Amino acid sequence: DVQMTQSPSSLSASVGDRVTITCRASRTVTNYLNWYQQKPGSAPNLLISAVSNLHSGVPSRFRGSGTGTEFTLTISDLQPEDSASYYCQFSGTFGGGTKVEI
Amino acid sequence: EVQLLESGGGLVQPGGSLRLSCAASGFTFSSHSMTWVRQAPGKGLEWVSGISASAGDTFYADSVKGRFTISRDNSKNTLSLQMNSLTAEDTAVYYCAREVRSSTALDHWGQGTLVIVST
Repeated sequence: DVQMTQSPSSLSASVGDRVTITCRASRTVTNYLNWYQQKPGSAPNLLISAVSNLHSGVPSRFRGSGTGTEFTLTISDLQPEDSASYYCQFSGTFGGGTKVEI
Repeated sequence: EVQLLESGGGLVQPGGSLRLSCAASGFTFSSHSMTWVRQAPGKGLEWVSGISASAGDTFYADSVKGRFTISRDNSKNTLSLQMNSLTAEDTAVYYCAREVRSSTALDHWGQGTLVIVST
């Protein structure tokens, strides 16, 4: 099975910053790479599907990119409400998560 | 409005069984694959099991294979997860989620149901 490794596991940033979260696959994967945001006490929410497709209602400051084994989630102009944990997913595997503190 | 409502969680002793249900509404249930995802306290997300729209295909994480059984009743818009031989490592919030058609993305999630395996 493919392993998905996220980095960093946590980060601290300020309002207005740009942050990048990386998800590395243990082998080349198809473009079925998705990203989720989860806030404490809530279910995850889909942010981006198929590497770069922004889900309905998700602000355009979220951007996904990548191919092969390396994928990134970039959050530009960080806002207080972006404080959350972020997970990548390929098929039946989730990354370990990245906690973003603002 | 798409709604997914899990039920059936609770406290169970090690070695015991529990059956989770997920009631779906607001969409054509029979057109979507469905998935169970769990999250142990303070931990990340773990994909548990998936089932195709027609129930013809089922998939399991290695950690639950042989112990858990996923099923669905498209006539009742209900997804289920039968969990047997439970251990403390199965303690988690269990979420049901809808898969986007022709994708692996999970675009709608329930609120989760907590399963605690303990004496």
